[in-house]
Amino acid sequence: KQEVTQIPAALSVPEGENLVLNCSFTDSAIYNLQWFRQDPGKGLTSLLLIQSSQREQTSGRLNASLDKSSGRSTLYIAASQPGDSATYLCAVKVISGFGNEKLTFGTGTRLTIIP
Amino acid sequence: SQTIHQWPATLVQPVGSPLSLECTVEGTSNPNLYWYRQAAGRGLQLLFYSVGIGQISSEVPQNLSASRPQDRQFILSSKKLLLSDSGFYLCALYRGLGEETQYFGPGTRLLVL
Repeated sequence: KQEVTQIPAALSVPEGENLVLNCSFTDSAIYNLQWFRQDPGKGLTSLLLIQSSQREQTSGRLNASLDKSSGRSTLYIAASQPGDSATYLCAVKVISGFGNEKLTFGTGTRLTIIP
Repeated sequence: SQTIHQWPATLVQPVGSPLSLECTVEGTSNPNLYWYRQAAGRGLQLLFYSVGIGQISSEVPQNLSASRPQDRQFILSSKKLLLSDSGFYLCALYRGLGEETQYFGPGTRLLVL
């Protein structure tokens, strides 16, 4: 059974610092890995998606890496801003048959950027 | 682009009462639809998914059920709510057709008292 772990559970950093969020998964047979952002009381917004054959994806100040063999992914946020404060979730996708596509989520890292 | 609607946004229900949460989708056809629950301090738990009208797969045995009466409608139900059913319920979709991103609705917060 796939399990996804995110460490740390919570993180507070001063504005302007670079930071790294970690995600690990137990079964390397994934189709892709996705990072989401969730603001309090809201739904999830997709940030970056890395296919299993890729090593990293970048979008603006965000960079996500994937090491499938070791079951790890990191989300790097450069020059953090107060607006980056949110919970960040990673999820791995597994396909086990036609139409049987599922995401397994980590418990998230709650990030607070201190002005 | 697709839009996911969920209602109600917030719901407070007594233990033992029935439940019906609705998710409707606009801007796409024949999506895979998903119901997740997010309990306090826990990750998202996949409850049900559907690849088409009338097709429901259950991930976790419990007192909840799901139905898909129309291509763009996904309903989560219960005959008798438990305290443990409290949580944040999210509807999501995959459009398929080579696109990999999963899109989420705004969620329904359910409090069972």
